[in-house]
Amino acid sequence: NAGVTQTPKFQVLKTGQSMTLQCAQDMNHEYMSWYRQDPGMGLRLIHYSVGAGITDQGEVPNGYNVSRSTTEDFPLRLLSAAPSQTSVYFCASSERTGGEQFFGPGTRLTVL
Amino acid sequence: AQSVSQHNHHVILSEAASLELGCNYSYGGTVNLFWYVQYPGQHLQLLLKYFSGDPLVKGIKGFEAEFIKSKFSFNLRKPSVQWSDTAEYFCAVKALSSASKIIFGSGTRLSIRP
Repeated sequence: NAGVTQTPKFQVLKTGQSMTLQCAQDMNHEYMSWYRQDPGMGLRLIHYSVGAGITDQGEVPNGYNVSRSTTEDFPLRLLSAAPSQTSVYFCASSERTGGEQFFGPGTRLTVL
Repeated sequence: AQSVSQHNHHVILSEAASLELGCNYSYGGTVNLFWYVQYPGQHLQLLLKYFSGDPLVKGIKGFEAEFIKSKFSFNLRKPSVQWSDTAEYFCAVKALSSASKIIFGSGTRLSIRP
């Protein structure tokens, strides 16, 4: 099993550009989530999904969109990038809500 | 709203010292509790978890944590740290009766002097 994979590993954007961070898992997990990690602030939940076709907002959803058309994939879209979105983004999955989460390697995003 | 507090932002210890990292949460109902670790340059991995039963849980690499319901705490301990324990440690809480959100604390950076 590859576990949780994320692409790209690094990305530099200009303000106003859009992009999609990809996340995939091959463990047939129902629960998937996106976090951003900023110094001194830990991990903050952006969006999460409890199954295909079901998504909901986390603590810091503004500026991000998600969809969950399949169990395996959970992409995160930045519609119009802002410097405040410079961060490290982690995708995670778990077999069920409230269970152990498995994290991807992260995407380091810089918005200029 | 549900929140998680880790009051120690940066802890510096010498090898063989004992470790205790604090974690407090603000939810009165039933919770699932986790400690995750992020070693330098790596992604997060689970150290240990508490769902129910014995409030003293043991995890990997000699770590343990005690759930004290009356204090809303889930402190992480290790009797004797090693240089390889240098990492960032995150406490996380899932309130079972709320919407399906797992909330993380702000993390504690642990530096071990060889």
